[in-house]
Amino acid sequence: DAGVIQSPRHEVTEMGQEVTLRCKPISGHNSLFWYRQTMMRGLELLIYFNNNVPIDDSGMPEDRFSAKMPNASFSTLKIQPSEPRDSAVYFCASSPRQGRAKNIQYFGAGTRLSVL
Amino acid sequence: KNEVEQSPQNLTAQEGEFITINCSYSVGISALHWLQQHPGGGIVSLFMLSSGKKKHGRLIATINIQEKHSSLHITASHPRDSAVYICAVNYGGSQGNLIFGKGTKLSVKP
Repeated sequence: DAGVIQSPRHEVTEMGQEVTLRCKPISGHNSLFWYRQTMMRGLELLIYFNNNVPIDDSGMPEDRFSAKMPNASFSTLKIQPSEPRDSAVYFCASSPRQGRAKNIQYFGAGTRLSVL
Repeated sequence: KNEVEQSPQNLTAQEGEFITINCSYSVGISALHWLQQHPGGGIVSLFMLSSGKKKHGRLIATINIQEKHSSLHITASHPRDSAVYICAVNYGGSQGNLIFGKGTKLSVKP
């Protein structure tokens, strides 16, 4: 398996633009997580899905952020409009809910977002 | 006060040394994770544990639920172990309720 795949790896955009980050989880994993990492705050959970259903989005900073998981193999995190304080590395992770690796999270390589 | 505290924040060691990184937490948890973040940014899950001890190669993780404390040990450290090690706890019985520590930056010198 190729692991969790995120795109793009780097995104540079101007304040006010819409940004869409994409994630393909590992096939067969039931849970998907979106994280944000900054120097000041470290890693923070934004939202997670079980079986494509959003379970907890309390970490989403504000209404400018939205996430969807239309099917088991794809998820998006959208920021509209983007602001400079959204600059961070965004990670996607997936995990199985059964088996030996139950609840162990596998991370993508991250998307480094810079909002100018 | 952060609910997950790691110590030390930074650690420099000589190759071959035994290394210990500590994690203390203040909430009731269902599981604790140790993650490794490489200098290139990639994150790898090392351990998930809820009691006792786990070992994988030169890495050992222990947890004491009563004392709300976990340690990550690296035996015979090597420069390739240089990374940031992050402790995270699951609380409230939910897989997604994760609180992260700020990480410990380890540098192992040859």
